[in-house]
Amino acid sequence: EAGVAQSPRYKIIEKRQSVAFWCNPISGHATLYWYQQILGQGPKLLIQFQNNGVVDDSQLPKDRFSAERLKGVDSTLKIQPAKLEDSAVYLCASSPTNFRTRPIPLYFGPGTRLLVL
Amino acid sequence: GNSVTQMEGPVTLSEEAFLTINCTYTATGYPSLFWYVQYPGEGLQLLLKATKADDKGSNKGFEATYRKETTSFHLEKGSVQVSDSAVYFCALSSDRDDMRFGAGTRLTVKP
Repeated sequence: EAGVAQSPRYKIIEKRQSVAFWCNPISGHATLYWYQQILGQGPKLLIQFQNNGVVDDSQLPKDRFSAERLKGVDSTLKIQPAKLEDSAVYLCASSPTNFRTRPIPLYFGPGTRLLVL
Repeated sequence: GNSVTQMEGPVTLSEEAFLTINCTYTATGYPSLFWYVQYPGEGLQLLLKATKADDKGSNKGFEATYRKETTSFHLEKGSVQVSDSAVYFCALSSDRDDMRFGAGTRLTVKP
């Protein structure tokens, strides 16, 4: 089975520019997550989707970050405008939804490494 | 809210040494606990997990026991190898399936 796909793998932009990342989860996975991993830190949850609805976006800086999962499959995370402190690896993960089995396993994509200059 | 605290690194050991990486958590309810590993240049991979108190997760010689009384999930391995060099993340997941990670501990094993 194909894993979680992300693109691009690397992106370099200047501050105040905008950038978008794309994620395609494993087929059939209802839950999709975006994480931000700053160098030397653990991944921080930005937003969690269940199908095309948002479950948790409490840590998403909504003044500059936005995310959507319109058809409940792939997702886009956007930053506009970018700041220097947004330099990080952006990880997408997905999980199936099966209430008979807990915990639900999380499958991570390779990540997109963003450098803001 | 839910959170995980793990020992700061980096940790440097000689091959065949004993490894312990401490992890404690704060959570409401009954979370599931995990250890993830990130090898150089790769994504996060699930190493082991435990879903309830006193459960022991194990994989590749690593073990961790879910201790509710001490809210801990320490990672141990009896004899580390150079190939175990990586960053290790402790994590928890609540009933809402929102995975929260610790800051990570970098392990370097020298031959």
